[in-house]
Amino acid sequence: EAGVTQSPTHLIKTRGQQATLRCSPISGHTSVYWYQQALGLGLQFLLWYDEGEERNRGNFPPRFSGRQFPNYSSELNVNALELEDSALYLCASSLGFEGGVDIQYFGAGTRLSVL
Amino acid sequence: GQQLNQSPQSMFIQEGEDVSMNCTSSSIFNTWLWYKQDPGEGPVLLIALYKAGELTSNGRLTAQFGITRKDSFLNISASIPSDVGIYFCAGRGGAQKLVFGQGTRLTINP
Repeated sequence: EAGVTQSPTHLIKTRGQQATLRCSPISGHTSVYWYQQALGLGLQFLLWYDEGEERNRGNFPPRFSGRQFPNYSSELNVNALELEDSALYLCASSLGFEGGVDIQYFGAGTRLSVL
Repeated sequence: GQQLNQSPQSMFIQEGEDVSMNCTSSSIFNTWLWYKQDPGEGPVLLIALYKAGELTSNGRLTAQFGITRKDSFLNISASIPSDVGIYFCAGRGGAQKLVFGQGTRLTINP
């Protein structure tokens, strides 16, 4: 069974550009989470989607946005990139609360570098 | 909101030593999870705990769900070089989303 897949693996952008990151959850999972991890530090919660709806949002500016598609895959968009947006962006999926236990399974991440 | 305090932030140990780390929360949790992240990879689930007082092992790893439901512990026995990485605790109470600790970075000297 395939795990959570993220693309691209690496992304290099310049300041002011837009970045689009993609995530495919484990088959059967309806919830997708996005996290930002800078400099190998802690996981900063960005967004949570479940059944196509945004359920919760972390303390990030509006230029961080995303969506979840009918097949439960998800996109994270970062507009007007700033240097400090350089980080590893991790996607996780879970069965969601309907599954009873919210165990999140992570992808390998997208390394975003803003020059 | 729910907050987790994970300690220590970093550990430098000799190969073969035992390791202990813990997480405490500001509120009661009904699920505790422990993850490990290798460099350049996403976190991988190590152990899941669902009941207060539960003690669960996964090889050399043992984790416990605290009786108060506000803390959890992870122990690694006889550490080996591949144990190097960042360990995260995560917990959830009620219908809240999963909350992650800040991570414990483990470094092992051969």
